[in-house]
Amino acid sequence: AQSVTQLDSHVSVSEGTPVLLRCNYSSSYSPSLFWYVQHPNKGLQLLLKYTSAATLVKGINGFEAEFKKSETSFHLTKPSAHMSDAAEYFCVVAGNQFYFGTGTSLTVIP
Amino acid sequence: EPEVTQTPSHQVTQMGQEVILRCVPISNHLYFYWYRQILGQKVEFLVSFYNNEISEKSEIFDDQFSVERPDGSNFTLKIRSTKLEDSAMYFCASSVKSWSSYETQYFGPGTRLLVL
Repeated sequence: AQSVTQLDSHVSVSEGTPVLLRCNYSSSYSPSLFWYVQHPNKGLQLLLKYTSAATLVKGINGFEAEFKKSETSFHLTKPSAHMSDAAEYFCVVAGNQFYFGTGTSLTVIP
Repeated sequence: EPEVTQTPSHQVTQMGQEVILRCVPISNHLYFYWYRQILGQKVEFLVSFYNNEISEKSEIFDDQFSVERPDGSNFTLKIRSTKLEDSAMYFCASSVKSWSSYETQYFGPGTRLLVL
């Protein structure tokens, strides 16, 4: 069975500082992993996805994530937060359906 | 850039009433999905749809739910007799090719349903 755990429900960072949103997955086989972002009143937008190619995946808006099989993790990072990054972030593992984490709300303090 | 759209953005209904949530998937996509998110809980898969048939459904998707592609553009979710516990955000999604774990799904903004 597939599942993801997002370790933080809320993360708050200052503008210009690094962002780390943590995700651990459980999968009975080699997983496909995604990060989606949801801005207020918008749809879920794909940030990046991992599908067993390079373990470091680069996405849009300067985000990247590293797949670590030994740690069953797929943490999302960004070197420098921007005000526009404030949103809800979802980690997803794909199996016979998409399995979502509970989401992490990112606040960026000016 | 093409987007999945959903209407209405908000829907308030009385318990026992029927509601229809509408979605317009991206035009060249062939696979369609509905998910829901009860407030404070995870986004949950409801159903997938391809070639005018349900491909897969979750245990949540019981007989009160149905899906339909009534024309070439719309994809609808009908809840026949709403219950209080159906209050949630409902997301529609679509994907280009075969439903596989590698295929990206594109999501709409959601319809927030409130059942009173």
